[in-house]
Amino acid sequence: LAKTTQPISMDSYEGQEVNITCSHNNIATNDYITWYQQFPSQGPRFIIQGYKTKVTNEVASLFIPADRKSSTLSLPRVSLSDTAVYYCLVGVKGQNFVFGPGTRLSVLP
Amino acid sequence: DTAVSQTPKYLVTQMGNDKSIKCEQNLGHDTMYWYKQDSKKFLKIMFSYNNKELIINETVPNRFSPKSPDKAHLNLHINSLELGDSAVYFCASSQDLAGVRTQYFGPGTRLLVL
Repeated sequence: LAKTTQPISMDSYEGQEVNITCSHNNIATNDYITWYQQFPSQGPRFIIQGYKTKVTNEVASLFIPADRKSSTLSLPRVSLSDTAVYYCLVGVKGQNFVFGPGTRLSVLP
Repeated sequence: DTAVSQTPKYLVTQMGNDKSIKCEQNLGHDTMYWYKQDSKKFLKIMFSYNNKELIINETVPNRFSPKSPDKAHLNLHINSLELGDSAVYFCASSQDLAGVRTQYFGPGTRLLVL
């Protein structure tokens, strides 16, 4: 499974757009990119998944360049409740089992 | 309604004891998983079951044994507990392994071995 690299932590203020980039240089042809969110004392929660170009849902957008060696999770207008750890996973669809350390996002008032 | 539930939420026990953690999902999913999250917050897959068949076992000590009485349940049995087993254990489920979008995680069981 492809290894991923993300920033360990990020700070933002309420109302700002937050972009978290994940590097996955050895992504395979069949691999999908999936992002999860984990609040303290809770299990991870699926946010978004994509294969290429751009995917958008009610929570976030996922931007994937043509070479697919990286991806960017975009959270529009974050609030305090978006403070969490965000994980980028890469693997065959349905078999994204390798969670890295994730990015700890702190949203400040 | 809770999609994936685990019991107990907290478990404190002595080294050498045997303990079990229960997991149930009411989503009608075919595949269930167990993950371990250690003190450094790394989430690692331990097992997954698909239609009562173990399909992944990631170099987990054989003191850990998953038991699936039916598709909705995947329990985790741990024998001869060690200090290093202290962690948060998450159960998860997904519709299947082929073309599945997402895994649904339970709230976690916090295990402390003294």
